[in-house]
Amino acid sequence: DARVTQTPRHKVTEMGQEVTMRCQPILGHNTVFWYRQTMMQGLELLAYFRNRAPLDDSGMPKDRFSAEMPDATLATLKIQPSEPRDSAVYFCASGLGVSGSTDTQYFGPGTRLTVL
Amino acid sequence: AQSVTQLDSHVSVSEGTPVLLRCNYSSSYSPSLFWYVQHPNKGLQLLLKYTSAATLVKGINGFEAEFKKSETSFHLTKPSAHMSDAAEYFCVVSDGSGTYKYIFGTGTRLKVLA
Repeated sequence: DARVTQTPRHKVTEMGQEVTMRCQPILGHNTVFWYRQTMMQGLELLAYFRNRAPLDDSGMPKDRFSAEMPDATLATLKIQPSEPRDSAVYFCASGLGVSGSTDTQYFGPGTRLTVL
Repeated sequence: AQSVTQLDSHVSVSEGTPVLLRCNYSSSYSPSLFWYVQHPNKGLQLLLKYTSAATLVKGINGFEAEFKKSETSFHLTKPSAHMSDAAEYFCVVSDGSGTYKYIFGTGTRLKVLA
């Protein structure tokens, strides 16, 4: 049963520290998405990639957030420096990336980040 | 531009009674529509999707949804609620412009009473 995996599942850190979240998309999937979920804002798209190339990162605070895909099996989301307002659940999703608007996204279990 | 509105933020039903979660969409394209479920402290799981084939779409766990173009609706139903259905449900429309992006509704939290 192919799944998106995310590590760590939980992270508690102090303000100012660097945080790195990792995602392994489903093998063969060409699109990868990063979302942030909070009670106040709901689900927000931060960035997404197709064939490892960033297509849209307009939802991401550029000064502190960065997203990369070093290879097809790993996507990373970094926050440096972290702030308490970054506390949220961060989801990664992947999709086949071949059928445009009908493409299904498959979500990972999320990383719950708490910044003290 | 595409958008989706979930008409109820909370719905409560008794176990064994029907479930109706309402969703209206706006799209300048022929839309693809999805319903996802999120159980507490879990990721989102696809329930079903509509992609311009049959207007009545059957999903997992007994859920189904009907695409009604004239009403711009895509309501989610289930004939008989189970305690395990208690979760948050998201209606989603695809961006439709070849970007693969989703537009999420604000979610409906379903409570199932014993």
